[in-house]
Amino acid sequence: DQQVKQNSPSLSVQEGRISILNCDYTNSMFDYFLWYKKYPAEGPTFLISISSIKDKNEDGRFTVFLNKSAKHLSLHIVPSQPGDSAVYFCAASSSSTDKLIFGTGTRLQVFP
Amino acid sequence: DAGVTQSPTHLIKTRGQHVTLRCSPISGHKSVSWYQQVLGQGPQFIFQYYEKEERGRGNFPDRFSARQFPNYSSELNVNALLLGDSALYLCASSLQGWGGDQPQHFGDGTRLSIL
Repeated sequence: DQQVKQNSPSLSVQEGRISILNCDYTNSMFDYFLWYKKYPAEGPTFLISISSIKDKNEDGRFTVFLNKSAKHLSLHIVPSQPGDSAVYFCAASSSSTDKLIFGTGTRLQVFP
Repeated sequence: DAGVTQSPTHLIKTRGQHVTLRCSPISGHKSVSWYQQVLGQGPQFIFQYYEKEERGRGNFPDRFSARQFPNYSSELNVNALLLGDSALYLCASSLQGWGGDQPQHFGDGTRLSIL
């Protein structure tokens, strides 16, 4: 049972435009949602998170939106840069544990 | 400050052997978690340890075990290796062991290949 889903395995965006990565979840008990970025041969790097009591969190070029009624979150990157090219993982957890449930990832490619 | 460090970076074993993977958390972090990532998938939770106690366990067989030491470093042990254990094993640490406002930080992983 895949509790966190990223239905788009890949996304290609032109430099300077907006990248929108999507994530759906099924478990309403999740309290936190996180986005990680992963380059080849490196571990995942934390990008941004959002608590279930909020609907938006912003950090520089990165903004995460949470729609609890739809059990959907998205990561917006504006403007996109070539260095953003990586695999992006959505993850969810409850407040009582560090256990993260990850999606399968979306490969973002930003081209000039 | 040093991040999460894992050793070794690569390892090749044969079926039936045993392996030990090591992890040193970020200084001051008391929680260590282990994840397995197979190609094309997201990381899968194996264990969480906090203050040397097991706090959580994922859906992995008893061949997988772990422990945390007084200095908060951790070992992951896998016995009777199978071909399907070939994966990237990731270690993550966090300050207090719960809550997304204190996110986990990952090491670069150990790539385990089973022949």
